[in-house]
Amino acid sequence: NAGVTQTPKFQVLKTGQSMTLQCAQDMNHEYMSWYRQDPGMGLRLIHYSVGAGITDQGEVPNGYNVSRSTTEDFPLRLLSAAPSQTSVYFCASSNRAPGAFFGQGTRLTVV
Amino acid sequence: AQTVTQSQPEMSVQEAETVTLSCTYDTSENNYYLFWYKQPPSRQMILVIRQEAYKQQNATENRFSVNFQKAAKSFSLKISDSQLGDTAMYFCAFINSNSGYALNFGKGTSLLVTP
Repeated sequence: NAGVTQTPKFQVLKTGQSMTLQCAQDMNHEYMSWYRQDPGMGLRLIHYSVGAGITDQGEVPNGYNVSRSTTEDFPLRLLSAAPSQTSVYFCASSNRAPGAFFGQGTRLTVV
Repeated sequence: AQTVTQSQPEMSVQEAETVTLSCTYDTSENNYYLFWYKQPPSRQMILVIRQEAYKQQNATENRFSVNFQKAAKSFSLKISDSQLGDTAMYFCAFINSNSGYALNFGKGTSLLVTP
């Protein structure tokens, strides 16, 4: 049972480039979410999904797109990377209340 | 708006001693869940303990326990018999049923356990 799998673990982008952070879970969880973690800021919610085909914005959605075509996958897209998007990104999944399961994170640097 | 506040950016404790990390939150909901997550240097997010608001009994997991004061909206974490492996960032989090059961996090407390 792999849990939540995020790829890649590390990425360096140039300003203006686009990329997709992948997230997959094998626990048949309804709910998935993306967070970014910056020093001194804790984790902040970017986007979330309550099921296939349903997504919504979190606290810091600007510059990011998501889609949820299947229950298992919830990719996060950066359309035009900016230095302000340098951060550690976490994907998580859950079935309501028990608490979220997290991927191992992606450290993204935009130069 | 639902907020989570951790007022202690850094704490230190000696091995085998007890330490308490503070957390307060604000919500208008009556039924909700609270969590403490641990993030060691590996950056993996590890669920330490959770508390359901409708349960009056404080949750306990081995050396970790909480003091949940619903009326005061306080949710502190007590670590007993601290071990070097407890050195990590600790995040208090509140589940947000209005945002797909995603989590609202505090800014974290960095705990250092010294020999």
